[in-house]
Amino acid sequence: AQTVTQSQPEMSVQEAETVTLSCTYDTSESDYYLFWYKQPPSRQMILVIRQEAYKQQNATENRFSVNFQKAAKSFSLKISDSQLGDAAMYFCAYRSPHNNAGNMLTFGGGTRLMVKP
Amino acid sequence: DAGVIQSPRHEVTEMGQEVTLRCKPISGHDYLFWYRQTMMRGLELLIYFNNNVPIDDSGMPEDRFSAKMPNASFSTLKIQPSEPRDSAVYFCASSLTTVSTDTQYFGPGTRLTVL
Repeated sequence: AQTVTQSQPEMSVQEAETVTLSCTYDTSESDYYLFWYKQPPSRQMILVIRQEAYKQQNATENRFSVNFQKAAKSFSLKISDSQLGDAAMYFCAYRSPHNNAGNMLTFGGGTRLMVKP
Repeated sequence: DAGVIQSPRHEVTEMGQEVTLRCKPISGHDYLFWYRQTMMRGLELLIYFNNNVPIDDSGMPEDRFSAKMPNASFSTLKIQPSEPRDSAVYFCASSLTTVSTDTQYFGPGTRLTVL
């Protein structure tokens, strides 16, 4: 079974600075998908960024980028130019590509990001 | 598209009462998921459907929980009878499986409080 670990329960960043959230996972599969979701105080889960394991290039979405290290099974999220609206819980998630696993996501425990003005 | 729609957004009920949570997935999506989020257990997958058929309900906590998907645009999660430990935020999510994408889109959640 796959597991996802987020070792930082809480992180803090100054507005306009850069912060990196860590995520590691355990799997025996060679192909899979990784996601970062944001959960603001409204509780809604919002997709931030998605990475396919077969792609060597790190995914980027505006101020959000990932550092995907397949051999190390590491998938960190970098937020540049942090804004007050980035304050939220961030969840790392893993999905197997196999049909018998459906589209099931395995989530990490989350990291609470605080942004200081 | 309106995204995944859930109702109600908040539900407060008394122990022993029946609770029904509703979800409308994004049109055209072939997978639907029900999750529960608590402080103690984090995000848990309860059950998921593919083309309206339940595929895996191993996450459903006990027989008091049941889920249905009578058609492609509607699903319900029912708790009968409800207990205080069922208090949580319940999320519905949907996805479309294609060769190139399978991202799950979450609804806003239903915050359930059982007194």
